[in-house]
Amino acid sequence: DQQVKQNSPSLSVQEGRISILNCDYTNSMFDYFLWYKKYPAEGPTFLISISSIKDKNEDGRFTVFLNKSAKHLSLHIVPSQPGDSAVYFCAASARLTGGGNKLTFGTGTQLKVEL
Amino acid sequence: DTAVSQTPKYLVTQMGNDKSIKCEQNLGHDTMYWYKQDSKKFLKIMFSYNNKELIINETVPNRFSPKSPDKAHLNLHINSLELGDSAVYFCASSQELGPGGTEAFFGQGTRLTVV
Repeated sequence: DQQVKQNSPSLSVQEGRISILNCDYTNSMFDYFLWYKKYPAEGPTFLISISSIKDKNEDGRFTVFLNKSAKHLSLHIVPSQPGDSAVYFCAASARLTGGGNKLTFGTGTQLKVEL
Repeated sequence: DTAVSQTPKYLVTQMGNDKSIKCEQNLGHDTMYWYKQDSKKFLKIMFSYNNKELIINETVPNRFSPKSPDKAHLNLHINSLELGDSAVYFCASSQELGPGGTEAFFGQGTRLTVV
């Protein structure tokens, strides 16, 4: 039961163009969403996040959009750069009754930015 | 200066052996996690500790036992290793930023190979 899904395993974009990575979720209890970037042989690193009470958050070249009614979020990278080539994981957070949060990850999208 | 460090980075061992992976965070976070990334690249949560208390225990074989001696450490002990245990194991830590806000920091991963 994959509660967070990234249906595109890979995406190829030309340098300078926009990259759009998509993510869908099924659990209405998720109240915070995050994007992580992962290079080979390294751990995932936090990129950008959005609270469920917002529909957009922007940080430099990165913007995350949230459509709660559709249970869909997307990450826009513009302009795309070769250094953006990595695997991008979407993650969703839900609070636990005993304290703490549980992060559930999507399956990842491999982004390749070509010259 | 590494925020979340796990050792060893690589671990090759024979079936049936018992091994441990150590994790330490110097961020002062209350919550620590173990994630498993299998051959299909899924990042699945295994365990989570909040203030040294186990709060998440996903469907993981009993051969896996986490131990948190203090808030800064969460070690993973694996008994009777099997071929299917081969994967990359990531440790992470987080602090609640607000309602649902959880930015988790990851270690660099431990690549476990069971032969």
